[in-house]
Amino acid sequence: ILNVEQSPQSLHVQEGDSTNFTCSFPSSNFYALHWYRWETAKSPEALFVMTLNGDEKKKGRISATLNTKEGYSYLYIKGSQPEDSATYLCAAQEGGADGLTFGKGTHLIIQP
Amino acid sequence: DVKVTQSSRYLVKRTGEKVFLECVQDMDHENMFWYRQDPGLGLRLIYFSYDVKMKEKGDIPEGYSVSREKKERFSLILESASTNQTSMYLCASSLLGEGEGGLGYGYTFGSGTRLTVV
Repeated sequence: ILNVEQSPQSLHVQEGDSTNFTCSFPSSNFYALHWYRWETAKSPEALFVMTLNGDEKKKGRISATLNTKEGYSYLYIKGSQPEDSATYLCAAQEGGADGLTFGKGTHLIIQP
Repeated sequence: DVKVTQSSRYLVKRTGEKVFLECVQDMDHENMFWYRQDPGLGLRLIYFSYDVKMKEKGDIPEGYSVSREKKERFSLILESASTNQTSMYLCASSLLGEGEGGLGYGYTFGSGTRLTVV
């Protein structure tokens, strides 16, 4: 079983501030790293899938980076808005047909 | 809009009952997955399937079985429900393969079934 860790476990951020959080995963047997946003009472929604070392992805105010050699990924949110409040999950994948191993998530609360 | 549909949002079952959780996707995805989510433990993989009639054990398959008779449907079966199987169950699907530029495919999740075993 892969060990995927996320930090911090929860985070309170003032509206308008930028923030970031971390996902660490085993660097051996790496295939892909996924980020999901999970809002209360909704389904987890895919944000990014990354495979290449040094890769950087961006979707609006949210971006992510990947370091496969040292086994970590950062998720950045610029200018946080109340609608960004959610649990952010990262997940590592060992092979293209394998299931994802998820971290426990970072619970983000944006305070107006 | 692509969809993964789980048949029940909430279920209450008695200990020892046989329970079926159904999941249907309309995206012609090869891969389908069952996860459970418990406070403090995150999403844990129970079983997955990459083709009709194929199944693979995930990290916590004990007490569960699955059925995939058709590509669009993946059923999770609790042969004899126990109280420690009280949880939120999430189904997901994805395309098989490397995706665009070898990036792999994100999962599409259902809205979950909250199962309580009493």
